Amino acid sequence: EPEVTQTPSHQVTQMGQEVILRCVPISNHLYFYWYRQILGQKVEFLVSFYNNEISEKSEIFDDQFSVERPDGSNFTLKIRSTKLEDSAMYFCASSENGGATEAFFGQGTRLTVV
Amino acid sequence: AQSVTQLDSQVPVFEEAPVELRCNYSSSVSVYLFWYVQYPNQGLQLLLKYLSGSTLVESINGFEAEFNKSQTSFHLRKPSVHISDTAEYFCAVSLSGGYNKLIFGAGTRLAVHP
Repeated sequence: EPEVTQTPSHQVTQMGQEVILRCVPISNHLYFYWYRQILGQKVEFLVSFYNNEISEKSEIFDDQFSVERPDGSNFTLKIRSTKLEDSAMYFCASSENGGATEAFFGQGTRLTVV
Repeated sequence: AQSVTQLDSQVPVFEEAPVELRCNYSSSVSVYLFWYVQYPNQGLQLLLKYLSGSTLVESINGFEAEFNKSQTSFHLRKPSVHISDTAEYFCAVSLSGGYNKLIFGAGTRLAVHP
């Protein structure tokens, strides 16, 4: 069964460092998303990506964040200068047809900023 | 703007008992409705969804949810739970059509006891 894969599963970084979280969406999917879940809180939307550009972003997704689909298979989330409050589980998701179909989620990357 | 309210943060229940996890949403436009499940240390998995048509939707593992437009609810039910149903359950909405993000509720932790 096709799945969304995320690497690494756990990343520890020092405050102020740059991190790149990687995702391989399902191959025929066209819509890509990043969500995050701070421990004990709800899952929050960060950004959606379609046709090689950001289609929507939340207020959380400030200038410290960026996304990229560098090679047609990977989908990355970069945090330029991490803060303690960026510590969270980050989920990548993809769907074939946006909101009308199921969004498949990866297992997540747990980011710990120390 | 859309919002989702899950009225119960935790629901303890004994094995083989029925359970209902409540979800209410707010939206001025048509939405799609979803229930996702998150088992410990895992990602989000779609449990069931309502897009259109029959207001009662079922999952393969015995859960069902009923869309009630007048009450703006999408409660999740199971007539007899198992220990293996212990997980966090998230209700979510997305705007119908397009590439729209999921908006999640805060989640309900279902704890099934022997």
